[in-house]
Amino acid sequence: ETGVTQSPTHLIKTRGQQVTLRCSSQSGHNTVSWYQQALGQGPQFIFQYYREEENGRGNFPPRFSGLQFPNYSSELNVNALELDDSALYLCASKQTGTVTDTQYFGPGTRLTVL
Amino acid sequence: GDSVTQMEGPVTLSEEAFLTINCTYTATGYPSLFWYVQYPGEGLQLLLKATKADDKGSNKGFEATYRKETTSFHLEKGSVNVSDSAVYFCALSGRFSGNTPLVFGKGTRLSVIA
Repeated sequence: ETGVTQSPTHLIKTRGQQVTLRCSSQSGHNTVSWYQQALGQGPQFIFQYYREEENGRGNFPPRFSGLQFPNYSSELNVNALELDDSALYLCASKQTGTVTDTQYFGPGTRLTVL
Repeated sequence: GDSVTQMEGPVTLSEEAFLTINCTYTATGYPSLFWYVQYPGEGLQLLLKATKADDKGSNKGFEATYRKETTSFHLEKGSVNVSDSAVYFCALSGRFSGNTPLVFGKGTRLSVIA
């Protein structure tokens, strides 16, 4: 069974640029969520995709957007980067409809905005 | 809204000491409860979970019991090792709800010294 993978591992961008982060779900999982973890904080929910549609969103502005593909892989796009977007971005996948609804996380992408 | 409160760290213990990390929650209904661990430079790993009141989750010597009457899910380990040094996150999610995200506490950093 393949776990959740993310790419790239690290990324450095400048303010105002755009970035795309990628995630491959764990085999058999149909739901992917993205979280932002600022330094020293717990992860904060950005949004979730199920069957290629967004079905939940946290308190993040529209410049944070995403996609889910038919193979359940996903992208997180952030436009007009700000310094405060510097964080570890975590992708998590699960199989919606199971009793425990357990999410499994990837290793994360560390984004630095200069 | 739903929330999770963890004891603040850092927590420093000697090897073989007893560990308790307190976690309380506020949620509507009957959430599932989780402990995740984050080792330095890595993503989140599921440590243990409990899906209903009085359930005990356990893994690698760690235990936590879902206490509905006190809305708590405290993490315990009888004898810690240096390799347990990490950040521990308590989290909850709604049961049987496909689009309910994980809500995390701020994390508790544990350092175990030999």
